[in-house]
Amino acid sequence: GAVVSQHPSWVICKSGTSVKIECRSLDFQATTMFWYRQFPKQSLMLMATSNEGSKATYEQGVEKDKFLINHASLTLSTLTVTSAHPEDSSFYICSARGTSGRDWNTGELFFGEGSRLTVL
Amino acid sequence: RKEVEQDPGPFNVPEGATVAFNCTYSNSASQSFFWYRQDCRKEPKLLMSVYSSGNEDGRFTAQLNRASQYISLLIRDSKLSDSATYLCVVNNGGSSNTGKLIFGQGTTLQVKP
Repeated sequence: GAVVSQHPSWVICKSGTSVKIECRSLDFQATTMFWYRQFPKQSLMLMATSNEGSKATYEQGVEKDKFLINHASLTLSTLTVTSAHPEDSSFYICSARGTSGRDWNTGELFFGEGSRLTVL
Repeated sequence: RKEVEQDPGPFNVPEGATVAFNCTYSNSASQSFFWYRQDCRKEPKLLMSVYSSGNEDGRFTAQLNRASQYISLLIRDSKLSDSATYLCVVNNGGSSNTGKLIFGQGTTLQVKP
């Protein structure tokens, strides 16, 4: 199946710093990528939809100036958590749909390995 | 009301047992339904799609009841390796390639020897 790679897997940073997380589709072109956040024992919450070459669409309650998303190519989307605070500590997961074929039609998402952010 | 609701469990069952998970969704316009599996501290992975006619994949059977807005997953002959969190996922309106996927909280299964 399709492969999505996310980096870094773990990151610890001081409060006030910015952290960038990368999401790459390794063997297919992803016109659309999704960024989710998951707090312990909770469901994945969609933060934003990233479309290649255009602005991301943010879900209600997600600050677009705090969570900057860039999808400059068909294989890379980045999420930057700006001025991170302890309450931003979470598991951030990206996912992607392909551009055509079975996966697109079934709606299956391929997930990155996730990035666990801890803000001290 | 949550858009997708699941009993979080945990379900503790012995090896070989049959276990069933249920899920309800609130948006009657939802088009596509899935069960994903998530291991601890890992990313979710698609277990199976759920079709209106019901579908089976080995020991796993998924069913959909659109009238009741209810989805189920049945696992027969549980294995230790089935221990994980099972996420009910609904495509929230639109066609499968445009709607957003909404995740339930997940149901945790622990299969014991």
